[in-house]
Amino acid sequence: EVQLVESGGGLAQPGGSLRLSCAASGFTFSNYVMSWVRQAPGKGLEWVSSISGSGDSTYYTDSVEGRFTISRDKSTNMLHLRMNSLRVEDTAIYYCARDPTDIVATPGFGPWGQGTLVTVSS
Amino acid sequence: QSVLTQPPSVSGAPGQRVTISCTGSSSNIGAGYDVHWYQQLPGTAPKLLIYRNTNRPSGVPDRFSGSKSGTSASLAIGGLQAEDEADYYCQSYDSSLSRSVFGGGTKLTVL
Repeated sequence: EVQLVESGGGLAQPGGSLRLSCAASGFTFSNYVMSWVRQAPGKGLEWVSSISGSGDSTYYTDSVEGRFTISRDKSTNMLHLRMNSLRVEDTAIYYCARDPTDIVATPGFGPWGQGTLVTVSS
Repeated sequence: QSVLTQPPSVSGAPGQRVTISCTGSSSNIGAGYDVHWYQQLPGTAPKLLIYRNTNRPSGVPDRFSGSKSGTSASLAIGGLQAEDEADYYCQSYDSSLSRSVFGGGTKLTVL
């Protein structure tokens, strides 16, 4: 059974940093694109960042480019999101998600983790 | 303003069939990119419902079906049940924006 378990969320001040982690199990980690998707309180879903199965390619939405860094560790089957220069508007639940298939296709998300809440406030 | 347009809400009685539309443009759905659909029950994480336009992951009932034509896609839910009450999102990729894009979400109410 595929399992994705996020951790690392919490309260941070504007300008501060957090590191989110996602423990993956139940599938061949290196075969799949992994992503972070966030949901601000009461709002819809927003793609944040993705990383290729090999880790060689990374992608970011414009609003986090240069502030967030996605990475993966194949030895521990962990996905990470380093979040620097946090802003109030980064406040959201952050979900870790695997691509639905291991073939090259339109990016998608599923399964999902349970999410971790990031609150940016002074 | 979402790149993919969904109706804010739809409703139906138990047993009925409802459809949720997802309208895009020539840089996303119309460009041939697949559409995925997600269900988010209240207070829970989203769940993949349909991937690559028409495919159901294991465990998703065949009451749920997806279709795509031109610059639009649709999610159909047949034999509505009370537990289908949730938010539904469509998602694709936009070549002009070079990123994945979501619809604004549709709240399904089972009357």
